[in-house]
Amino acid sequence: DVQMTQSPSYLAASPGESVSISCKASKSIGNNLAWYQEKPGMTNKLLIHSGSTLQSGTPSRFSGSRSGTDFTLTIRSLEFEDFALYYCQQFNEYPLTFGSGTKLEI
Amino acid sequence: EVQLVESGGGLVQPGSSLKLSCVASGFTFNKSNMHWIRQAPKKGLEWIGLIYYDGSFKYYTDSMKGRFTISRDNSENTLYLEMNSLRSEDTAVYYCAKQGPLYVMDAWGLGASVTVSS
Repeated sequence: DVQMTQSPSYLAASPGESVSISCKASKSIGNNLAWYQEKPGMTNKLLIHSGSTLQSGTPSRFSGSRSGTDFTLTIRSLEFEDFALYYCQQFNEYPLTFGSGTKLEI
Repeated sequence: EVQLVESGGGLVQPGSSLKLSCVASGFTFNKSNMHWIRQAPKKGLEWIGLIYYDGSFKYYTDSMKGRFTISRDNSENTLYLEMNSLRSEDTAVYYCAKQGPLYVMDAWGLGASVTVSS
């Protein structure tokens, strides 16, 4: 199985700041990586797929990048609504696997 | 608007069975692959498996093969997850999700809570 190592587990920031979340795959997955946002009382939201392609409706302050097996989710100019849990997920092969999550707190 | 609504969760004893349902609306269910994912308390997301749009292919995570069965009824726009021989470690919120053009989940339900305890 492809192991997804996500870091950090917790991240504290203030509105207006920029943050980055990392996800490292245990082997090559090409660009087959997605990022999701989880918020209490709301359904999980697909933010980015294929490493860097914004899903329709995702604000442009979100961006994704890749370097080899390392993937990064960057959020610029944080807004209050961005404080949430974030997960990466590889979809290169079965079984699909998720990172362990990053809690972004104010 | 895409909607996925899970139901059927609850408190069950170890060794028992449970069948979850997920009713879909707002999209063409019979053209969409569907997934089940779970999240144990204080843990991350764990993918359970998927079923193709026509039910012709299913895939399960190894740890759940043989105990969990995914099925669907396209005439009722409903996805199912049947779970047998439940254990305490199956305690989780179970989500259904719609697959988008790639093997990503572009819509999720709010989940159904399952607690396995004596």
